[in-house]
Amino acid sequence: DIQMTQTTSSLSASLGDRVTISCSASQGISNYLNWYQQKPDGTVKLLIYYTSSLHSGVPSRFSGSGSGTDYSLTISNLEPEDIATYYCQQYSKLPWTFGGGTKLEIK
Amino acid sequence: QVQLQQSGAELVRPGTSVKVSCKASGYAFTNYLIEWVKQRPGQGLEWIGVINPGSGGTNYNEKFKGKATLTADKSSSTAYMQLSSLTSDDSAVYFCARYYYGSSYVNYFDYWGQGTTLTVSS
Repeated sequence: DIQMTQTTSSLSASLGDRVTISCSASQGISNYLNWYQQKPDGTVKLLIYYTSSLHSGVPSRFSGSGSGTDYSLTISNLEPEDIATYYCQQYSKLPWTFGGGTKLEIK
Repeated sequence: QVQLQQSGAELVRPGTSVKVSCKASGYAFTNYLIEWVKQRPGQGLEWIGVINPGSGGTNYNEKFKGKATLTADKSSSTAYMQLSSLTSDDSAVYFCARYYYGSSYVNYFDYWGQGTTLTVSS
């Protein structure tokens, strides 16, 4: 199985900050990488697909980048509603696997 | 609008089975795969498997073979996941999600259910 690692399990930032969340794969995944947001009430939403494509309705302050084994999600101008846990997910090879999550908190 | 409505929380005894439902609305049920994901308390997300509601075909994470059984009822647009021989390790929140396949490059879980909390305890 491909292991997805989010080395930062929690992150504290101030409103208006630019935040970057990292994710690495145990082998190359050819940009087959999605990002999801899980709100404190448990609701899960897709943010970014295929490394850098913004899902419909997602604010443009979210962006994704990366290649090979290393990927990142960036939130520019952090807003209160961005408080959540963020997960990366690879779809290069079954079984689909997720990172352990990065919990974003307001400083 | 697309919605996936899951069944309510369950408290069950060790050794028993439980069936979780996921009712789809707002789209053609048989046109999209339904995926199931496990989330243990304070943990990340773990892929259980997928069902094609149109054909009934399934694919499971090896880890969940023998534990989870996925089915779908086209007449009610409902997907089901049965978990058997329950232990405390099965206590978790279980999500269903619709799988969008746009191309070999583009596929993702685009809509998620609200989650069903399963507690296994005597």
